[in-house]
Amino acid sequence: DAGVTQSPTHLIKTRGQQVTLRCSPISGHKSVSWYQQVLGQGPQFIFQYYEKEERGRGNFPDRFSARQFPNYSSELNVNALLLGDSALYLCASSLTRESRNSPLHFGNGTRLTVT
Amino acid sequence: AQKVTQAQTEISVVEKEDVTLDCVYETRDTTYYLFWYKQPPSGELVFLIRRNSFDEQNEISGRYSWNFQKSTSSFNFTITASQVVDSAVYFCALSGMGGGSNYKLTFGKGTLLTVNP
Repeated sequence: DAGVTQSPTHLIKTRGQQVTLRCSPISGHKSVSWYQQVLGQGPQFIFQYYEKEERGRGNFPDRFSARQFPNYSSELNVNALLLGDSALYLCASSLTRESRNSPLHFGNGTRLTVT
Repeated sequence: AQKVTQAQTEISVVEKEDVTLDCVYETRDTTYYLFWYKQPPSGELVFLIRRNSFDEQNEISGRYSWNFQKSTSSFNFTITASQVVDSAVYFCALSGMGGGSNYKLTFGKGTLLTVNP
């Protein structure tokens, strides 16, 4: 079975631009979460979507938004990019809504560089 | 607020040495889950183990073992007879049950383990 797939793998954008990152969960997984990992730090929670509804949001500005589609794939959008948005963006899927019931499975991430 | 501290930023060992990665956590939840993930240079986070707060039994899986001590809020990870392929960044993470935090993981800053041949 395919794991969590993310596209693109690398992206370079200019300050002020907008970016869309894509994620396809493991087949059968209905929950998708997004994490931001700045170089040298642990991942930080951005969003969780379950059954196409937002179930949780981390401490990120409104420039960050996401959605989940009927096939459970997801997009993360970031508007008005800042240099500080440069990071590895990780998508994770799980079978259920809560991490206590099933572990998160992560993709390889999208490396975003903002210049 | 939840917090995970991995005090060891980097560890370097020679192949076949045993190595322990430390993890200390803080939470007000009475029920919570602890995780360890491995991140090789490819970037993907690989799930290693999940332990709930009611299960303090130590666990062994091959060369890996985990020591959960609720009294000291620690969940340490030991690799026995380390191998070069164990080189990676290892993250400890915490998932709570209350306050809307049961759907996200709080990660530590990670420990970079380098195993030299």
